[in-house]
Amino acid sequence: DTEVTQTPKHLVMGMTNKKSLKCEQHMGHRAMYWYKQKAKKPPELMFVYSYEKLSINESVPSRFSPECPNSSLLNLHLHALQPEDSALYLCASSPVRPGTSIGDNEQFFGPGTRLTVL
Amino acid sequence: ELKVEQNPLFLSMQEGKNYTIYCNYSTTSDRLYWYRQDPGKSLESLFVLLSNGAVKQEGRLMASLDTKARLSTLHITAAVHDLSATYFCAVQDAGGTSYGKLTFGQGTILTVHP
Repeated sequence: DTEVTQTPKHLVMGMTNKKSLKCEQHMGHRAMYWYKQKAKKPPELMFVYSYEKLSINESVPSRFSPECPNSSLLNLHLHALQPEDSALYLCASSPVRPGTSIGDNEQFFGPGTRLTVL
Repeated sequence: ELKVEQNPLFLSMQEGKNYTIYCNYSTTSDRLYWYRQDPGKSLESLFVLLSNGAVKQEGRLMASLDTKARLSTLHITAAVHDLSATYFCAVQDAGGTSYGKLTFGQGTILTVHP
C-alpha cells in the first residue's frame, strides 16, 4: 500500500456536532501531519506527530483535537466548530529514512476531507 | 519566520507559449517542492528539489533551485490546456524542532487558453 487515505471525503456538520476525520497510511512512515487549506489559499500546518507523539501544535484552537493511536493512524477530532473552520483538511505522512531525521524527507499527501460547518 | 513568495499569482497563457513561475523564500533551505492542485482536489507532487543547482524536468514542466539566491523557478514550455491548475511551491524547514514543516507560497493560478 503506497498511499495515504482519508475519510470521509466530505463532511457537513453543525456547530454543536462532534465528528472525527481519519487518516491512514501503511507505508511505515513515522511522521504524520495535518494541514488546513481555506479556499484559494495555500495549505497551513496544524499539527505534526512524530513516532506517535505530538511534536508541533501551530497554536490551533482546542476545538480541534488530534490523536495518533498507532503508527498508521491519525485522527482529528472536531467539536464546536465555527463556520470559518470550513476548509479542506489534508493529511500527510513522511518516512524517516536511514541516516535522516524526521523532517528530512518528502511528505505524501492524502486526498483530503472537505469540511463544511453550518 | 520563513516566508515564501510566488509570482505571478495569476497567469493567463496562450497555448503554445512559454512562461516561468518564480518562488522566493526568506531563509536558508535546500529542500523545495512544487505541487499542482486541481479545483477541489489534493496536492499532486510535481518536483522534489534537494540541492543547489538541482534541475528536474517532466514533460512540459521544468523546475530549478538556486539556494544561494533563495529562488526556485517552474518553467512551462509550449503550454497546453491540461496544465491549467494552481501551482504551489513549498519550502521545507528541516531544522530539528520543525519536523519538516512545509511553508507554502501563495499559489499561482494558471489558465491556458486557445
